[in-house]
Amino acid sequence: QIVLTQSPALMSASTGEKVTMTCSASSSVGYIYWYQLKPRSSPKPWIYLTSNLASGVPARFSGSGSGTSYSLTISSMEAEDAATYYCQQWSGNPPTFGAGTKLELK
Amino acid sequence: EVQLQESGPSLVKPSQTLSLTCSVTGDSITSGYWNWIRKFPGNKFEYLGYITYSGSTYYNPSLKSRISITRDTSNNQYSLQLNSVTTGDTATYYCTRGERFDPFDYWGQGTSLTVSS
Repeated sequence: QIVLTQSPALMSASTGEKVTMTCSASSSVGYIYWYQLKPRSSPKPWIYLTSNLASGVPARFSGSGSGTSYSLTISSMEAEDAATYYCQQWSGNPPTFGAGTKLELK
Repeated sequence: EVQLQESGPSLVKPSQTLSLTCSVTGDSITSGYWNWIRKFPGNKFEYLGYITYSGSTYYNPSLKSRISITRDTSNNQYSLQLNSVTTGDTATYYCTRGERFDPFDYWGQGTSLTVSS
């Protein structure tokens, strides 16, 4: 199965700071999904097919990448962005998830 | 709006069979793909399997022959059965809608399962 490695596992950012987190695949995938998870909630789809924002996601978020290397960027950190972000692939079976990047507000 | 709701026991003994049901409103399980995913303590996710609009199924090979996903179209529900559970199956179980080229866009609230004697 395709293993997704997310880095960093934990990061903190101040309001207004640019944030970038990465997702590396053990073999080439065609696209990546990103999900946002906050405590006591279910995951929310955040970015689909690598770079498309899900409905309601602020425009300060963006996604990019290809092959084995993908990233999620926040152009200017807001307090509400503090959460854990997971990448997920379904280019190969079974679908797999990364271990998550926990983003905290500094 | 599409809503999914898991139901089932919160505690199961080792070696027993886990049965969970997902009730769907706002969409029909006779369209699309309907999945089970679990999140372990420590927040790692594992994909379990799906049942499609036609009743076809796919299971994560890691679960070998322990898993079965079935559906009840008359009640718009689908179910997960996991045999011979161990403490390693302790997790929060989610039902979701989604398929290869669509994200898991709707999730149930999750049901927490503990396997313990």
